[in-house]
Amino acid sequence: ILNVEQSPQSLHVQEGDSTNFTCSFPSSNFYALHWYRWETAKSPEALFVMTLNGDEKKKGRISATLNTKEGYSYLYIKGSQPEDSATYLCASNTNAGKSTFGDGTTLTVKP
Amino acid sequence: DTAVSQTPKYLVTQMGNDKSIKCEQNLGHDTMYWYKQDSKKFLKIMFSYNNKELIINETVPNRFSPKSPDKAHLNLHINSLELGDSAVYFCASSQVTGQGAWGYTFGSGTRLTVV
Repeated sequence: ILNVEQSPQSLHVQEGDSTNFTCSFPSSNFYALHWYRWETAKSPEALFVMTLNGDEKKKGRISATLNTKEGYSYLYIKGSQPEDSATYLCASNTNAGKSTFGDGTTLTVKP
Repeated sequence: DTAVSQTPKYLVTQMGNDKSIKCEQNLGHDTMYWYKQDSKKFLKIMFSYNNKELIINETVPNRFSPKSPDKAHLNLHINSLELGDSAVYFCASSQVTGQGAWGYTFGSGTRLTVV
């Protein structure tokens, strides 16, 4: 993997469903992985930063895991609510000082 | 207090004009950035700048130039505006944390419309 890739590009779920999506990144020279939440007409806001293989972070119903050896991170949302509707961005830092954003996964939660 | 502030929030201007968007951060961060939200709503890096180094995305036209009067400011100047420059532009800043990683704090964006 040369770039940061996120999948799926968009996702529609019903209120109450749990969901997850993926961020894939180059495992070589990896330093840190960030997740951001980006609501329409607002600016991206930081959710998590993870650095160590096996890291897990949790904030309310949202959690994330990190696998630096294979180069992926999962973001999980338990019991999705309409207010969770947003684009979720991940960004990878390398130890050379470079940051790259993925294109995001746009989540729509239907009431 | 707003951590990263951009002005103006909206900018409508005619083709051929020169305009600037201002960005200020009060977080004491050492690096600032400009991103463009493209037509597909993706964030694309334009510039990153700290006291030591300006890194320019080579795909950015040279009509775009960053200007940093000091560490807390990174303004974006655009010459000879074109219709295709219409987009939302985000300023951001970052600082290395205790973990050695750095996250971004974004401004609220400037919606530029070229008519």
